This record gives sequence, C-alpha cells and structure tokens, in this order.
Amino acid sequence: EVQLVESGGVVVQPGGSLRLSCAASGFTFDDYTMHWVRQAPGKGLEWVSLISWDGGSTYYADSVKGRFTISRDNSKNSLYLQMNSLRTEDTALYYCAKGYDLDYWGQGTLVTVSS
Amino acid sequence: QSALTQPASVSGSPGQSITISCTGTSSDVGSYNLVSWYQQHPGKAPKLMIYEVSKRPSGVSNRFSGSKSGNTASLTISGLQAEDEADYYCCSYAGSRVFGGGTKLTVL
Repeated sequence: EVQLVESGGVVVQPGGSLRLSCAASGFTFDDYTMHWVRQAPGKGLEWVSLISWDGGSTYYADSVKGRFTISRDNSKNSLYLQMNSLRTEDTALYYCAKGYDLDYWGQGTLVTVSS
Repeated sequence: QSALTQPASVSGSPGQSITISCTGTSSDVGSYNLVSWYQQHPGKAPKLMIYEVSKRPSGVSNRFSGSKSGNTASLTISGLQAEDEADYYCCSYAGSRVFGGGTKLTVL
C-alpha cells in the first residue's frame, strides 16, 4: 500500500525558515517524480514544486522560486522542502504527491506563518 | 503560470450528468494530452480521478470520464450520486504543473 506521510509543519514567524519532510513507503521511491502541493485555508490547490526521480531536475512555482528548495534522499525514501524567507501568504496545508500524475497524496502538514 | 479556469460551482440531481470545464492556454492544456482531475472531499486529501485527459486509474468508477478540445478540458460525471459531492480540480502539465481554481459540485 502506498503511503506518504508529511511532517515538519509548525507555526513560524515571517522571515523564518522551515524544512518539511515526506516519508514514502509501499512503492519504489526512486522510480518516481515527486511533488509538493499546498492549499491555503479555504482555498484551492496550488502546485509548489517537483523533483525528478534522481533529483537531477527541479521546478518551482513563481510564487516560491528563490525561497524554497526541493530535495530528496532516495536511500531514505524521503522527500524534503526547505522553506526560507517565509511570508504570511505561505500559510497552507502542504501535501506531497507521487508520480507524474500525482496519483497518491499524503494527508498534509500545516504550516502557519504568523507573528 | 496562470491558474486554469474552472467554474466556481456546478450542481445536479441524483442520476443526472454534469460537466466541469477547465480552460487553459496553448501553452498548457492545448499543447499536451496531460490533463488530470482530482476529487477532494472536505478535510481529505485529493484523489486522482482522471489522468492523461481521459484515462481512469484502477478503482475509479466509469461514471467519471474526461475529454479535451483545444485549450479546454472537461470532466463529466454521469449518474450523479450523493457521494460525488466534493471539490474538483483540474491540473495540466506546462513544463511544470498548473492547477485550476477548483469547482464545488453540489448534488441536489
């Protein structure tokens, strides 16, 4: 059974930093592209970033480019999102999702940026 | 990276069919047969319902179907059921990915 478990979400002040993690199991992690997608409270889905199976290619939404960094450790079946220079508008539930078609999603981890 | 355009809401009665549109541009929806659709119930994670415009993952009811014409993709749900009431999002490949704003489906 595919499982994706996000962690690391907390309350952080504007300008602060945070690292999210996503632990994957139930599939061959290093065969798949992985994504981060976020959802602000009461709002729609916003794609944030993706990383290729080997980490060689990464893409970012314009809203986070230069502030967020996606990475992965295939030896640990884990995906990460380093978030710097956080803004209040980054407040959201952050999901990790598997594969080219985002065919499985975790339950999300909540990031709140507030003073 | 502008969001794809979806109607904010649609509704239908049990047993009826509804269609949700998803309009993009020639840089995303119009250029690739890589549109997917997700269903999200309140407080739950999104679930993949359609990928590559019209393919259904294993386990998804054949009441759900997808299509595309030009820069607009569509999700059709036939034989509406109460459990179909949810938010629906389209997503297109665009080098990266771009989502639609979401459509709230109400089953009357």
